[in-house]
Amino acid sequence: AQKVTQAQTEISVVEKEDVTLDCVYETRDTTYYLFWYKQPPSGELVFLIRRNSFDEQNEISGRYSWNFQKSTSSFNFTITASQVVDSAVYFCALWNSGGYQKVTFGTGTKLQVIP
Amino acid sequence: EAGVAQSPRYKIIEKRQSVAFWCNPISGHATLYWYQQILGQGPKLLIQFQNNGVVDDSQLPKDRFSAERLKGVDSTLKIQPAKLEDSAVYLCASSRGGGNTEAFFGQGTRLTVV
Repeated sequence: AQKVTQAQTEISVVEKEDVTLDCVYETRDTTYYLFWYKQPPSGELVFLIRRNSFDEQNEISGRYSWNFQKSTSSFNFTITASQVVDSAVYFCALWNSGGYQKVTFGTGTKLQVIP
Repeated sequence: EAGVAQSPRYKIIEKRQSVAFWCNPISGHATLYWYQQILGQGPKLLIQFQNNGVVDDSQLPKDRFSAERLKGVDSTLKIQPAKLEDSAVYLCASSRGGGNTEAFFGQGTRLTVV
């Protein structure tokens, strides 16, 4: 069985602070993909990043960075110098190559950036 | 490039009534997904199509839910009869490849069953 845990239900930060959203996953497969999506109040999920299980390189995209550590089964997401527009619900998701090969989403972390 | 289109945006029905949702994926995307997102939870995959064939419908309550994707393009999701616990946002998504590729989501249909 596969599982994605986002232990932080809600986080509030003041604008310009850095914030890290945690994601811990469980899977028995060696080949899998991890995703982060952003869900603004408008409702649609917006793709942020995809990482496969063989690529542990950290990635930086502007103010966003991701830290993938297979040893701890974590794929954490950091926003540097947060802005009000970052306020949204963020979901971590896992796709694995075995079984039903479906994407499993975490329960999401609601981020509120206070001006 | 046009995004994933869904309609209606909102629907309120009484329990035991029927309802249908429509989705038009991004042109050229072979894979189409329907997700159910209950308030405060992450999306749960209901059904995944590859072209017009079903890849995974393991979490679709088949006694009341049905979905089809005619000609490998548009798709409809139907609930008949609806229950109170079906109240949720129904999200349609599409991707070029399978579930390990980037998915593009529509804005969803918010269903309220009273």
